Amino acid sequence: DAKTTQPNSMESNEEEPVHLPCNHSTISGTDYIHWYRQLPSQGPEYVIHGLTSNVNNRMASLAIAEDRKSSTLILHRATLRDAAVYYCTLYSGAGSYQLTFGKGTKLSVIP
Amino acid sequence: DTAVSQTPKYLVTQMGNDKSIKCEQNLGHDTMYWYKQDSKKFLKIMFSYNNKELIINETVPNRFSPKSPDKAHLNLHINSLELGDSAVYFCASSQGWRTLGEQYFGPGTRLTVT
Repeated sequence: DAKTTQPNSMESNEEEPVHLPCNHSTISGTDYIHWYRQLPSQGPEYVIHGLTSNVNNRMASLAIAEDRKSSTLILHRATLRDAAVYYCTLYSGAGSYQLTFGKGTKLSVIP
Repeated sequence: DTAVSQTPKYLVTQMGNDKSIKCEQNLGHDTMYWYKQDSKKFLKIMFSYNNKELIINETVPNRFSPKSPDKAHLNLHINSLELGDSAVYFCASSQGWRTLGEQYFGPGTRLTVT
């Protein structure tokens, strides 16, 4: 019952930018878009989140489509440490108040 | 200092036993969560507590009972363990829940039921 769709896997060369796409066509007006990543044998780690406007932080950038039905997580320079499963999730700010995780995208970084 | 810690890291037990997993956060957060990640890596929320009050109680068997003695601790007790309970259980915390910012996750507890 995940509300997001992501590619199962992606590859990137080290030091290159990475664009991880996510579709959330049924997003509601009160849903926030959150991204988490999970390194092997670790708990998920927060990356970034946003509502309508594009967001930047020290880890990544989040580009949100104007209709909010899709978003893209941008890692500006992939490093080997960025190899992980990336989850695009929606947080309902009204009603269920919970993160709903999908299958995620497994990102491989090639040295 | 570990922000969100869980004990034990690994738990191997037999069917029918009762076990507990403990979680503590030292971030001063007022909301804590339990998630279950199954063998297919799906991560699903089980419970959420805000200031010791249960706010999310997903459809999980009533053999699972969370207990929050104070806002820094959220323990998970499981009665009559079944094979299907084998999974990795993650505790998490956040400051607030109506407007969710960043959730901090613990390292996980790998439960194996034999």
